Amino acid sequence: DAGVTQSPTHLIKTRGQQVTLRCSPISGHKSVSWYQQVLGQGPQFIFQYYEKEERGRGNFPDRFSARQFPNYSSELNVNALLLGDSALYLCASSLVDSLNQPQHFGDGTRLSIL
Amino acid sequence: QKEVEQNSGPLSVPEGAIASLNCTYSDRGSQSFFWYRQYSGKSPELIMSIYSNGDKEDGRFTAQLNKASQYVSLLIRDSQPSDSATYLCAVNIITNFGNEKLTFGTGTRLTIIP
Repeated sequence: DAGVTQSPTHLIKTRGQQVTLRCSPISGHKSVSWYQQVLGQGPQFIFQYYEKEERGRGNFPDRFSARQFPNYSSELNVNALLLGDSALYLCASSLVDSLNQPQHFGDGTRLSIL
Repeated sequence: QKEVEQNSGPLSVPEGAIASLNCTYSDRGSQSFFWYRQYSGKSPELIMSIYSNGDKEDGRFTAQLNKASQYVSLLIRDSQPSDSATYLCAVNIITNFGNEKLTFGTGTRLTIIP
């Protein structure tokens, strides 16, 4: 079975632009969560969605938004990009809504802001 | 106090020795704990999950949890050069709003010396 897939793998944007990152969970997984990993740091939780509903939100500004589609895939949108948004964006999926279960990560999207 | 703390290392261990990685967390109510391994430029992959006090063994890996001390560790026996990576400790924390967030430490960079 395919794992979590993310697209694109790399992206270069300039300050002030907007970006959309995409994630397809493992087949049968209904929970998708998003993380930002800055170089040298651990991943930071951005959002969790389950059955198309937001279940959790981390300490990120309103420029960050997400949604989940009926097929459980998800998009992360970031508006008004800042240099500090440069990071690896990771998507993870799991079967259930609780983050008590192991999360399975995709390969990530590396976003560079110029 | 950080929610999840790890020694960033680097930690150097001779091949064949035991590598010991430590993690402390601040939320006394946390119930789920995970160790992920992350190779440079790759996404995190799950090594172990642990939910109860005591030891949990899986091959060369042993996770140890002490909820009273708010401490979780990972032991790697018979360390191999392929174990060289950054090890991330993750804790499921319940926020003040009642939702969950998976919180990572900064990671410990482990190098196995042949």
